[in-house]
Amino acid sequence: SQQGEEDPQALSIQEGENATMNCSYKTSINNLQWYRQNSGRGLVHLILIRSNEREKHSGRLRVTLDTSKKSSSLLITASRAADTASYFCATDFNDYKLSFGAGTTVTVRA
Amino acid sequence: DARVTQTPRHKVTEMGQEVTMRCQPILGHNTVFWYRQTMMQGLELLAYFRNRAPLDDSGMPKDRFSAEMPDATLATLKIQPSEPRDSAVYFCASRQGDYGYTFGSGTRLTVV
Repeated sequence: SQQGEEDPQALSIQEGENATMNCSYKTSINNLQWYRQNSGRGLVHLILIRSNEREKHSGRLRVTLDTSKKSSSLLITASRAADTASYFCATDFNDYKLSFGAGTTVTVRA
Repeated sequence: DARVTQTPRHKVTEMGQEVTMRCQPILGHNTVFWYRQTMMQGLELLAYFRNRAPLDDSGMPKDRFSAEMPDATLATLKIQPSEPRDSAVYFCASRQGDYGYTFGSGTRLTVV
């Protein structure tokens, strides 16, 4: 399968803590993207990191990419209740269509 | 903010009936995708179009599913006849170049 695989499947943290989730994939990629999905909603694009980049930031989000290990991580700092959602990594293999992993469900406790 | 609009939001239908889902992609986005999401299978790519031409529909059951893009403002996904196993949330997404996708809110289909 070309899908990314997220780890862990589920994560529960206290408000204010950091949340880290990882994504592994199997073949060379053009870019890797992270999406958030709130319950009952569509997916929202968070960040895109290209294969020649190692780290990107967007607000409280930090994404790293290690192409030698075929892995990426998403860090959410100072989590809030509104960060409760499922997070998906998606890999682009140069044909502009994305393959999505199964997602990490993050619960932020007040 | 520009949005991808999907209709209907919810659809309940009886087995054997035809279902048509519609999507209005973001103006100027030249690539349009249909995904299906279920608890068991996650997000599956059904079909996608670039500049309205179908590029890949290998994810669709060909005997009952069809996807078209009659013009740049409308993409359709049709199921005929529908079956209970088609119950899922169907998402349309559009994209320009190799930037991120913009997803619609989805059509939640229940086939009874």
